[in-house]
Amino acid sequence: SQTIHQWPATLVQPVGSPLSLECTVEGTSNPNLYWYRQAAGRGLQLLFYSVGIGQISSEVPQNLSASRPQDRQFILSSKKLLLSDSGFYLCAWSESGLAVHNEQFFGPGTRLTVL
Amino acid sequence: GQNIDQPTEMTATEGAIVQINCTYQTSGFNGLFWYQQHAGEAPTFLSYNVLDGLEEKGRFSSFLSRSKGYSYLLLKELQMKDSASYLCAVRRTGGFKTIFGAGTRLFVKA
Repeated sequence: SQTIHQWPATLVQPVGSPLSLECTVEGTSNPNLYWYRQAAGRGLQLLFYSVGIGQISSEVPQNLSASRPQDRQFILSSKKLLLSDSGFYLCAWSESGLAVHNEQFFGPGTRLTVL
Repeated sequence: GQNIDQPTEMTATEGAIVQINCTYQTSGFNGLFWYQQHAGEAPTFLSYNVLDGLEEKGRFSSFLSRSKGYSYLLLKELQMKDSASYLCAVRRTGGFKTIFGAGTRLFVKA
């Protein structure tokens, strides 16, 4: 069966510090991978998605970046965090190809607080 | 533009039926999803509609009308554990981008 891991679970960082969040998927090959951010009481905002190694699509201009160094590894980074980067960060995967469903399976999330 | 609208909050009684509506305006349409999200947890997939009509899955049903840009999630025989946020999401054509609504917080009371 497939599983998705994210770490860390919670993180408190000062403004201006760097960030690295990691996501890995097990039990599937060539998944589509996604990074979302959810502000308190808000919907999910798609930040990045990837259909393959080294292929990253950015959805919103911001001080965040993403990388996919391996097939089942997706990393979210920042060189300098802003207060507005606080939120609940969710990684998700879906099957590749345009299958009928392609529902997304979410990781447990990382709660980031920038002070 | 792209917009997904859902009521912010709803309250219902244990054992009752509740309908959560979702209207959308998106650039292209390739399916509508409903996810359940308990507080502090990740969303989990509930249902998917790509054709007009009703999809039933146990106590949960989802309806879609593409011409009206409208969907609803129907929850029957409500249980306390159904208290959660319900997210409506639309996948656009030509790729994998999925737009999520802000979610409807459902409170189930005894």
